[in-house]
Amino acid sequence: DGGITQSPKYLFRKEGQNVTLSCEQNLNHDAMYWYRQDPGQGLRLIYYSQIVNDFQKGDIAEGYSVSREKKESFPLTVTSAQKNPTAFYLCASKIQGANGYTFGSGTRLTVV
Amino acid sequence: GIQVEQSPPDLILQEGANSTLRCNFSDSVNNLQWFHQNPWGQLINLFYIPSGTKQNGRLSATTVATERYSLLYISSSQTTDSGVYFCAVDGFGNEKLTFGTGTRLTIIP
Repeated sequence: DGGITQSPKYLFRKEGQNVTLSCEQNLNHDAMYWYRQDPGQGLRLIYYSQIVNDFQKGDIAEGYSVSREKKESFPLTVTSAQKNPTAFYLCASKIQGANGYTFGSGTRLTVV
Repeated sequence: GIQVEQSPPDLILQEGANSTLRCNFSDSVNNLQWFHQNPWGQLINLFYIPSGTKQNGRLSATTVATERYSLLYISSSQTTDSGVYFCAVDGFGNEKLTFGTGTRLTIIP
């Protein structure tokens, strides 16, 4: 079955450590996205990539970094510069110019 | 960027009742989707509906693009309908999905 896989589902890290969240898709989608969700709130865009080896900042990119070396993969690194990293992170993808976004099941990050 | 507003923010209904959720957006949209977020956080795509009307079982949606709003109807609500419903849009030449703040629906048995 085609889809988006995010791993791990739950992640605990100590304050000050960098952590990388995985997002892999086998849908042959061109564009991939990372969103952050805080409790009781909507989703906010962190970074997005429309083609391999290119990506753009979203609305809340500070403290995060990404790479897009392969079409299938768009990992997100939460750096120590991110002031409040504890949140639910969702990855999405779509075919460029076509309709509808597909979301992964999310990674819940807790920094202690 | 496009602004998305959803109403009401919270809705509590008895099982079997009908409900209408509203999404207003500030500019022309290329894409509009309704999602249901389940208790585990998974976003379930309900409708892709930048214009027109669609139905899927007890759920239906209508988007009036010229007036910049969309409605999600849930009929004969069940407890499994509980959760948060999000409307999300992107604009022409701007393929970034912007979310509303959601409507939290609680269905009481």
